[in-house]
Amino acid sequence: GQQVMQIPQYQHVQEGEDFTTYCNSSTTLSNIQWYKQRPGGHPVFLIQLVKSGEVKKQKRLTFQFGEAKKNSSLHITATQTTDVGTYFCAGHNAGNMLTFGGGTRLMVKP
Amino acid sequence: GAVVSQHPSWVICKSGTSVKIECRSLDFQATTMFWYRQFPKQSLMLMATSNEGSKATYEQGVEKDKFLINHASLTLSTLTVTSAHPEDSSFYICSVPNYYEQYFGPGTRLTVT
Repeated sequence: GQQVMQIPQYQHVQEGEDFTTYCNSSTTLSNIQWYKQRPGGHPVFLIQLVKSGEVKKQKRLTFQFGEAKKNSSLHITATQTTDVGTYFCAGHNAGNMLTFGGGTRLMVKP
Repeated sequence: GAVVSQHPSWVICKSGTSVKIECRSLDFQATTMFWYRQFPKQSLMLMATSNEGSKATYEQGVEKDKFLINHASLTLSTLTVTSAHPEDSSFYICSVPNYYEQYFGPGTRLTVT
């Protein structure tokens, strides 16, 4: 079945450093979504990418969808302590099944 | 404000008892709701798709007789964990799709002693 993998699993950064998490799917995706889950909270939708090679920005966050629509990345510029949490990618395949990646836990040292 | 609510937010029960978790869509009707389980420091695993007016669709490996789902109305789905065991202790989250977004409930933390 479809598998979605994320790396790294954990990332410690110093406040102000950049951070990137990568998402790879075993199958071609119709779209990719990103969620953020704060410690003790529930996942919150951040964005959806649909087009091959698409790049979207939300303030310090940059989301990218690969040309082959099998990978994606989330880059955070100049991290802040408020960025702490686990970032999940989730992809829809042709059968409209949404599969979540394992998540990347971001910890930011002030 | 909250789009999806869950009740209870946490519950402790004894092994062998059953626990019912409610998921309510507050802002829009939902013919479909999803139930996920999340173990500590792990990703969300889809358990089942709740369908209003018909039977739920369970993912492979999820026992439908143990995790009873009832989509009672267009705004309410319930998940009942029957004969709970300590290994069922987890964070159960429902979500409601609206167009391409999924709105997650706040989750229910179940601890089985």
